[in-house]
Amino acid sequence: EAQVTQNPRYLITVTGKKLTVTCSQNMNHEYMSWYRQDPGLGLRQIYYSMNVEVTDKGDVPEGYKVSRKEKRNFPLILESPSPNQTSLYFCASRPSGTETQYFGPGTRLLVL
Amino acid sequence: GQQVMQIPQYQHVQEGEDFTTYCNSSTTLSNIQWYKQRPGGHPVFLIQLVKSGEVKKQKRLTFQFGEAKKNSSLHITATQTTDVGTYFCASGYSSASKIIFGSGTRLSIRP
Repeated sequence: EAQVTQNPRYLITVTGKKLTVTCSQNMNHEYMSWYRQDPGLGLRQIYYSMNVEVTDKGDVPEGYKVSRKEKRNFPLILESPSPNQTSLYFCASRPSGTETQYFGPGTRLLVL
Repeated sequence: GQQVMQIPQYQHVQEGEDFTTYCNSSTTLSNIQWYKQRPGGHPVFLIQLVKSGEVKKQKRLTFQFGEAKKNSSLHITATQTTDVGTYFCASGYSSASKIIFGSGTRLSIRP
């Protein structure tokens, strides 16, 4: 089944404890992206990747890192999480040449 | 920076009534996409509009892209309980690599 998977789905952590949220897609899509969703703000793009080893900042990249060593995986790294990073995070992918994005199920993060 | 404004933020309608959400930009958009997110779910792509003045229909849903490509609307005729969710518009810029989403319109329905 074609899908985007994220792990973990739920995470409670404390300020400053490094964490990684994984994202994987099995559709051989070139483009992958991370978003955070907060009430009243919609989805805001954190980072995106056009292909392997090609990443760039979205609108809200501060406090986040990403890597794209393989086409299928696009992990989101929070080196030192802070409470303002408490949010719902979505990973998405799409093939080149189209705008149709396929979203993962989301990861709900709470930073205490 | 680039912004896409979406109104209203919330809409509560009686089942069978119509519903419309609007997106507006101060700059010309290359395209506009619409997504639906059910409560507790993830955004699901509905449609993309590219051409000035374009109108597309999907059953009870009608999507429009303005002549100046600065605004768009989604209209649902005779809402059903299955239409409940949040509707987002989105547009790509900077070679479509960056994506900007509207803040969404949450639709709730009285049976």
